[in-house]
Amino acid sequence: GAVVSQHPSRVICKSGTSVKIECRSLDFQATTMFWYRQFPKQSLMLMATSNEGSKATYEQGVEKDKFLINHASLTLSTLTVTSAHPEDSSFYICSAADQGGSGANVLTFGAGSRLTVL
Amino acid sequence: AQSVTQPDIHITVSEGASLELRCNYSYGATPYLFWYVQSPGQGLQLLLKYFSGDTLVQGIKGFEAEFKRSQSSFNLRKPSVHWSDAAEYFCAVGPNYGGSQGNLIFGKGTKLSVKP
Repeated sequence: GAVVSQHPSRVICKSGTSVKIECRSLDFQATTMFWYRQFPKQSLMLMATSNEGSKATYEQGVEKDKFLINHASLTLSTLTVTSAHPEDSSFYICSAADQGGSGANVLTFGAGSRLTVL
Repeated sequence: AQSVTQPDIHITVSEGASLELRCNYSYGATPYLFWYVQSPGQGLQLLLKYFSGDTLVQGIKGFEAEFKRSQSSFNLRKPSVHWSDAAEYFCAVGPNYGGSQGNLIFGKGTKLSVKP
């Protein structure tokens, strides 16, 4: 089945630094990937849609200059949290849809990345 | 407004007992419906989905869900719970058209605890 890999699974950084999170589709190509944020004991909130070869589409209220998304290839999207602050601490999850096969319209999620900003 | 409601924040059942997790949705059209499970510190795993056809859908790990249009519900069931089923369960709805499903709307989740 489709597999989405996320790295790192956990990261701790100092306030003011930038952190990059990678999301890879391992056995399929994904022209579109999605980034979610999950606060403790809360549901997932879609942050942005990452489009291969073009600019990401951000949801309302998400700062695009804070959360930089790059989708340079059909198997890799990156989320960079710039000048991170403690309020950016959260669980970030990516997903992708394998639109080339029978799994069309079904998302596969990565295992998530726990960001802690000190 | 589009929304997903999971009325139960936390449910505790005994191992071997039956389980039903409730999900109600508000959506402008016939949606795609999903149930996901999340273990602590992990991503989401798809349990089952409903797109069309038979309103009773079977998923992995012995789970099933029934789509009831008249009640706008998509409740998840399992006849006999195992200790390994303890996790957080999310119901989600998405647009019923071809293409990407990133704009899913998730419920707030139901945490399932299993007593030995």
